[in-house]
Amino acid sequence: GDSVTQMEGPVTLSEEAFLTINCTYTATGYPSLFWYVQYPGEGLQLLLKATKADDKGSNKGFEATYRKETTSFHLEKGSVQVSDSAVYFCALNSGGSNYKLTFGKGTLLTVNP
Amino acid sequence: DAGVIQSPRHEVTEMGQEVTLRCKPISGHNSLFWYRQTMMRGLELLIYFNNNVPIDDSGMPEDRFSAKMPNASFSTLKIQPSEPRDSAVYFCASSLVAGTSYEQYFGPGTRLTVT
Repeated sequence: GDSVTQMEGPVTLSEEAFLTINCTYTATGYPSLFWYVQYPGEGLQLLLKATKADDKGSNKGFEATYRKETTSFHLEKGSVQVSDSAVYFCALNSGGSNYKLTFGKGTLLTVNP
Repeated sequence: DAGVIQSPRHEVTEMGQEVTLRCKPISGHNSLFWYRQTMMRGLELLIYFNNNVPIDDSGMPEDRFSAKMPNASFSTLKIQPSEPRDSAVYFCASSLVAGTSYEQYFGPGTRLTVT
């Protein structure tokens, strides 16, 4: 079945540091891949997505590239801010008649000033 | 555009009481999902609907939980009777499933505390 594995947190960085959160997946077919962000006390928000191999999703300075050969979708940001402190979830959908998202367990990011 | 709307935002109730959580999906979306989030178990999918029909309820923990979607703009999740272990944040999400688009949009959640 479908599964998503994220690096375990928590991740603590200083402001302006480079961020990578690793995500690998197992899925049938050609899944769509997503990163969601959850700020404290809020629901999950879609951060970016990619629907086919070699696609790069980007938003708010975050990027992730769909790598089919390594079944990965790592999240990166060149310079984090305190306001990026949140929990980040990697997710996939394997398509067809399966409408569900399979989520990773989430990675807590804390950015210190 | 209004996002997914959930009510109430906070609910505190005593063990044994009935609890009803409500959700209004984004207009035009055809799928609706109920999730539960706790520190111990993380984010769990409870049930989802497509075109108002329940498709997969395998995540519903037990018979005390039930969900309905009487029309495209409203869904409820009911717990009867409630127990302290049901304390969690419950999220509703909606999606327009079309082509390769499967992203879900989440509501702000209902924080349920059962004492």
